[in-house]
Amino acid sequence: AQKVTQAQTEISVVEKEDVTLDCVYETRDTTYYLFWYKQPPSGELVFLIRRNSFDEQNEISGRYSWNFQKSTSSFNFTITASQVVDSAVYFCALSEEVDNDMRFGAGTRLTVKP
Amino acid sequence: DGGITQSPKYLFRKEGQNVTLSCEQNLNHDAMYWYRQDPGQGLRLIYYSQIVNDFQKGDIAEGYSVSREKKESFPLTVTSAQKNPTAFYLCASSEGLVKFFGPGTRLTVL
Repeated sequence: AQKVTQAQTEISVVEKEDVTLDCVYETRDTTYYLFWYKQPPSGELVFLIRRNSFDEQNEISGRYSWNFQKSTSSFNFTITASQVVDSAVYFCALSEEVDNDMRFGAGTRLTVKP
Repeated sequence: DGGITQSPKYLFRKEGQNVTLSCEQNLNHDAMYWYRQDPGQGLRLIYYSQIVNDFQKGDIAEGYSVSREKKESFPLTVTSAQKNPTAFYLCASSEGLVKFFGPGTRLTVL
């Protein structure tokens, strides 16, 4: 069975600090997909990134970067120079097949203080 | 603008009453989903539909029902059989691997 663990329940940082959100996953499949979503106070989940299991290249998008390491089954998310608008709950998710079987971690609540 | 709408944003229900949550999308996606979110927990799948007139149970379907008569619409009914219905409900749609979510409905049972 697939499983996603986000061990950090809550993180609080001061604006401009860097912060890393951890995600560890379990799967028996060799082909799988990893995702990060952001849930701001409004409630809607916003898609951030998708990663395929066969592509271990790290990715950077502005202040966001993702470190995918199959050897440790981790897909960590780093926000550089955090801003107050980054305050949200962040979810890591895993999917072994197209569409229906996406498993979510419990989420990490990030608070960025001015 | 293309997207997913859910209504109402907040919903209050008395115990023993059925209530229907609306979900509409204009993204032309075939697949639609309903998730439940409880405090401190991730999203759990209630029902999903990959095509019109067809739907499948997710992990926590008991006490819920759905219909998919139109591609754009996937309403969720929370029945009186659902023992603990107070939660945040999120609807999603997808075309491929990525799911796109609506703004959610917060249901409170009084």
